[in-house]
Amino acid sequence: QQQVRQSPQSLTVWEGETAILNCSYEDSTFNYFPWYQQFPGEGPALLISISSVSDKKEDGRFTIFFNKREKKLSLHITDSQPGDSATYFCAAIYTGNYKYVFGAGTRLKVIA
Amino acid sequence: GGIITQTPKFLIGQEGQKLTLKCQQNFNHDTMYWYRQDSGKGLRLIYYSITENDLQKGDLSEGYDASREKKSSFSLTVTSAQKNEMAVFLCASTRDRASYEQYFGPGTRLTVL
Repeated sequence: QQQVRQSPQSLTVWEGETAILNCSYEDSTFNYFPWYQQFPGEGPALLISISSVSDKKEDGRFTIFFNKREKKLSLHITDSQPGDSATYFCAAIYTGNYKYVFGAGTRLKVIA
Repeated sequence: GGIITQTPKFLIGQEGQKLTLKCQQNFNHDTMYWYRQDSGKGLRLIYYSITENDLQKGDLSEGYDASREKKSSFSLTVTSAQKNEMAVFLCASTRDRASYEQYFGPGTRLTVL
């Protein structure tokens, strides 16, 4: 079963636009949600994260919006740059057992 | 700073072969993970280890064994490689129970002929 779902599977935006990546989850015990960025040939790297007690987390051009009631979150990348072209993974963890669950990822392409 | 090293970078095996992948970290992190990444399917957890000599099964543990020989190293064994199997195996670690950020290695790419 897919506990963490991401959409769209792939996304293309123009440079300067806002890219919106969506994520939803099923298990209400998840309480921490990191987003990872992965470039080809490399391992994923933490981009930004949010805990379930917050509804928004901002870090520069990257913002997470979190809706606990609907079990949904989204990553907004404003002023998208070609260097943002990568695959983005939403993950969920219940901090009581350290077990991560990853979504299938969204492949973002930013065209100059 | 620190680094996670995975060896080998590329691994080619034969059907039915037993294959071992190794991971070393010099962060002095407590918890280590093994994931399998297939194209279009994200990362799936195989095994994790909360501390030295601890092993926990993930959702994809069948067909694999793991060993946490010491705090800095975590090995994964494919017990019987499947023909035409292709995947990237990623090792990760987290510092301690107050931190949930995972640091990933560059991966081992497995091809089974």
